[in-house]
Amino acid sequence: DAKTTQPPSMDCAEGRAANLPCNHSTISGNEYVYWYRQIHSQGPQYIIHGLKNNETNEMASLIITEDRKSSTLILPHATLRDTAVYYCIALPGDYKLSFGAGTTVTVRA
Amino acid sequence: EAGVAQSPRYKIIEKRQSVAFWCNPISGHATLYWYQQILGQGPKLLIQFQNNGVVDDSQLPKDRFSAERLKGVDSTLKIQPAKLEDSAVYLCASSPDWYNEQFFGPGTRLTVL
Repeated sequence: DAKTTQPPSMDCAEGRAANLPCNHSTISGNEYVYWYRQIHSQGPQYIIHGLKNNETNEMASLIITEDRKSSTLILPHATLRDTAVYYCIALPGDYKLSFGAGTTVTVRA
Repeated sequence: EAGVAQSPRYKIIEKRQSVAFWCNPISGHATLYWYQQILGQGPKLLIQFQNNGVVDDSQLPKDRFSAERLKGVDSTLKIQPAKLEDSAVYLCASSPDWYNEQFFGPGTRLTVL
């Protein structure tokens, strides 16, 4: 299973876009990139996933590089409620989630 | 749509005691998961059920942990006897099927003294 690398923490300003990087240089062709987040004292919440193409939904956008070795999760207009730990996961064929330490994102007013 | 329900939300026990956690998944979800999340770490999968059968329990410490999902709906996770290192949040998740995104409950925070 591919390992992902994320910065341990990052700050962003309320109302601005938050760009969360993730490296997955050993990802294989059939592994999807999944993003979940975990707000304090809650269970993780699915955000978005993609394989090769960029994806967008009501929560975020996912940009995957052409070589698939890295990706960026974009929260277009961060709010205080987006403060959370964000997990980037390279999902293997059995779809089992393997969570790392994630990135702690703090949105500041 | 109701989410994944877990109870209790908090539990404090002494080491060597027994404890049980309950999970009610989203209606109609075939796949149910239990995770353990130690403070400062990401969740770790303990066991995965597909309907009422176990798909993967390779990370479950079977000498003290057990889980069941009778009738393919609710599930219970039991620890007997508890150790100090079992202090963690126990998360239940469900998904429509094994290849779908997972929906997590709020978790049960266990403290073992």
